[in-house]
Amino acid sequence: AQTVTQSQPEMSVQEAETVTLSCTYDTSESDYYLFWYKQPPSRQMILVIRQEAYKQQNATENRFSVNFQKAAKSFSLKISDSQLGDAAMYFCAYRVSQGGSEKLVFGKGTKLTVNP
Amino acid sequence: DAGITQSPRHKVTETGTPVTLRCHQTENHRYMYWYRQDPGHGLRLIHYSYGVKDTDKGEVSDGYSVSRSKTEDFLLTLESATSSQTSVYFCAISGGQAPETQYFGPGTRLLVL
Repeated sequence: AQTVTQSQPEMSVQEAETVTLSCTYDTSESDYYLFWYKQPPSRQMILVIRQEAYKQQNATENRFSVNFQKAAKSFSLKISDSQLGDAAMYFCAYRVSQGGSEKLVFGKGTKLTVNP
Repeated sequence: DAGITQSPRHKVTETGTPVTLRCHQTENHRYMYWYRQDPGHGLRLIHYSYGVKDTDKGEVSDGYSVSRSKTEDFLLTLESATSSQTSVYFCAISGGQAPETQYFGPGTRLLVL
């Protein structure tokens, strides 16, 4: 079964600094998708970034980028120039595709605090 | 933002009563999902749908049923609510040009007394 592990329950960063959130996953598939979602205090789940496993190039979205290491099954999220609005829970997720269905398996999340 | 609404947004009920949560989408996406979020567990899939009247179980489906009679609506029913079903429930949708990417509704906070 696919599993997703986020080993850092909590992280903190100073405003304007850079922080990296870790995620590892377990799969026997060769083609898959990985995602990072942000959940601020409003509880809304917001898609931050996604990565297709067959693409070698790491995905980027403005201040957010990933370090995708397929062989190591690692998918870390880097937030540059951290802002107070980045404070949230961050969830890593792996997409499972079985029998025509599309499902996500989530890690347990990392709580990010941004200090002014 | 994806057009997904959930109703009600908050509900308090008593053990043993039936509860139905509704998810409504305006994107005409094929796939719809129900997750629950509990402290220490992240989000876990309850049930999902891959088309009208086509549904299947997720990893925590016991005590829940679903129905999808129209593309835009996906209902989650707790036949007889228990305190262990106190949680935050999220609906998600995927489809169109990027079926692998799920977009979430605002969530429903359910308290079972």
